[in-house]
Amino acid sequence: AQSVSQHNHHVILSEAASLELGCNYSYGGTVNLFWYVQYPGQHLQLLLKYFSGDPLVKGIKGFEAEFIKSKFSFNLRKPSVQWSDTAEYFCAVNGDSNYQLIWGAGTKLIIKP
Amino acid sequence: DAGVTQSPTHLIKTRGQQVTLRCSPKSGHDTVSWYQQALGQGPQFIFQYYEEEERQRGNFPDRFSGHQFPNYSSELNVNALLLGDSALYLCASSTGTANEQFFGPGTRLTVL
Repeated sequence: AQSVSQHNHHVILSEAASLELGCNYSYGGTVNLFWYVQYPGQHLQLLLKYFSGDPLVKGIKGFEAEFIKSKFSFNLRKPSVQWSDTAEYFCAVNGDSNYQLIWGAGTKLIIKP
Repeated sequence: DAGVTQSPTHLIKTRGQQVTLRCSPKSGHDTVSWYQQALGQGPQFIFQYYEEEERQRGNFPDRFSGHQFPNYSSELNVNALLLGDSALYLCASSTGTANEQFFGPGTRLTVL
């Protein structure tokens, strides 16, 4: 069955710390990969996406993610977090010609000032 | 340029009742997807509408039905509500076969 696993449900970091949020997926075939973010009181918004090409993708607000096909992973990274990065982060995947997004359970990130 | 809008924001119903949720897609988008997000979980795909037809459906019972209108707006209907239907219902819009989806603020449904 198709699934997405996010390794940590809660992460607490201090400002300026480096961030890596894990995402592994189980999906046969070509995949499209996404990270969405939900800031407190706001909608889900797209942080970055991978469809094809360079496996290292850059998104908004200094975030990047690396697609490692052999590991079925798409981890999210940021070298130095800010208090404003406090939010919930979701990894999602779909396949070509498959319109439904399969989502992870989300990671709540809290940045201590 | 308005993004995806949903109404109502909150709704309280009792078991057995029926509910209709509404969604207007982002300007220029013709595809609407609906998701259910239970507390502490990621969204679960309900179905997607394109050209006024249900294009794909997730693992939800027939109590969940939808409709898309010629102006691309959409409704989600849930019949015979159960306590377990309490959740945040999200609408997302996109264009044709594009994979990037834009989300609305959601409708919080509470079933008592």
